[in-house]
Amino acid sequence: SAVISQKPSRDICQRGTSLTIQCQVDSQVTMMFWYRQQPGQSLTLIATANQGSEATYESGFVIDKFPISRPNLTFSTLTVSNMSPEDSSIYLCSVKTGYTEAFFGQGTRLTVV
Amino acid sequence: SQQGEEDPQALSIQEGENATMNCSYKTSINNLQWYRQNSGRGLVHLILIRSNEREKHSGRLRVTLDTSKKSSSLLITASRAADTASYFCATDAQSGGGADGLTFGKGTHLIIQP
Repeated sequence: SAVISQKPSRDICQRGTSLTIQCQVDSQVTMMFWYRQQPGQSLTLIATANQGSEATYESGFVIDKFPISRPNLTFSTLTVSNMSPEDSSIYLCSVKTGYTEAFFGQGTRLTVV
Repeated sequence: SQQGEEDPQALSIQEGENATMNCSYKTSINNLQWYRQNSGRGLVHLILIRSNEREKHSGRLRVTLDTSKKSSSLLITASRAADTASYFCATDAQSGGGADGLTFGKGTHLIIQP
């Protein structure tokens, strides 16, 4: 199993600003994932962040808007850039090892005003 | 992109009754997982069923998988107020080699009336 600490847990931000979300895992993991959950919706994968390589983004998500860092096997950040109210969502980081269950952080609830 | 559909989208039952949720998906999978989410927070893993399995039990949970119909169901027996939550199915694609993220269904919001 893995325990994931995600910070901040929530934030209210002004449009046009950026927010960086941190994800710390209590063990070394190769694969880390970032998801977005829009209000009342399900989770959508933003990108896969593997240590030592650039993040791989899903269709509809771009690096300029959601830059990701993965400096080591226990830590990653996701930045939401130039925010607009449409970016108001819960952002979750997750890890898994192969074809196994995934573990999730508690999420960051972002409100853009 | 989301590939799964879940039904019902919302379900309200009395405490003690059984709750059944269904999930459909579109691609070939290695496994299908069910998660619970309370009040929009982090997800809790409930059960994983592999593509070569047809049924799996864990406590009050029973999951079935029909790969020919690309569908799964989650049954919660003897429901409790604490089971009130949103439930999501998620698939892990066979093509990804285990390195892909999960694809989530739309979810079922379950309310257990005391």
